[in-house]
Amino acid sequence: EVQLVQSGAEVKKPGESLRISCKGSGYSFITYWIVWVRQMPGKGLEWMGTVYPGDSDTRYSPSFQGQVTISTDTSSSTAFLQWNSLKASDSAIYYCARRGQWKVGDYYYYGMDVWGQGTTVTVSS
Amino acid sequence: IQLTQSPSSLSASVGDRVTITCRASQGISSYLAWYQQKPGKAPKLLIYAASTLQSGVPSRFSGSGSGADYTLTISSLQPEDFATYYCQQLNRFPRTFGQGTRLEIK
Repeated sequence: EVQLVQSGAEVKKPGESLRISCKGSGYSFITYWIVWVRQMPGKGLEWMGTVYPGDSDTRYSPSFQGQVTISTDTSSSTAFLQWNSLKASDSAIYYCARRGQWKVGDYYYYGMDVWGQGTTVTVSS
Repeated sequence: IQLTQSPSSLSASVGDRVTITCRASQGISSYLAWYQQKPGKAPKLLIYAASTLQSGVPSRFSGSGSGADYTLTISSLQPEDFATYYCQQLNRFPRTFGQGTRLEIK
């Protein structure tokens, strides 16, 4: 079974650091982009950034550039999302997802076809 | 690229036909996906390439559109379809989402 399993809920204080994880299984981890998505309480989905495990190519949304770090460990088929100094406004559910790819006609198209269960991060003093 | 979904919320009955629209701030060449999210759950991919149904998704869901304008249609609402729906463009970085459409039971 193809799945992404995320690390458990975290409760942190402002200024603390944090790394959450997303472990892939059932597929070739290095050949699919992994995406991180934020969902603040009661709000919509926000695309944070993405990483290609095969070569560590990483892209960030301007909204999150410099605020988080996305990385992978191919030896354990795990992607990470890291903060160096959390803020209360980082409280949210964070999802990882796999970017699927399909050929339709002459072109490849994409969509996030496998999702982790989400990691709830609470930052409060 | 900004995506604007309409309506933001919608009340409908079981058996109704509903349509949700997603307008991009520029053309996105059908690099559009639709997702369904139920409370407390991760989103689920319904459609990619604007109109291709993801494996396992019921055929009452369909997508259409081109350029900057796209639609998601549910032909006959079922009780399990009441959820929030998001569009996403995958043409340019950052891969933005629409703000969501909440579909509620009338």
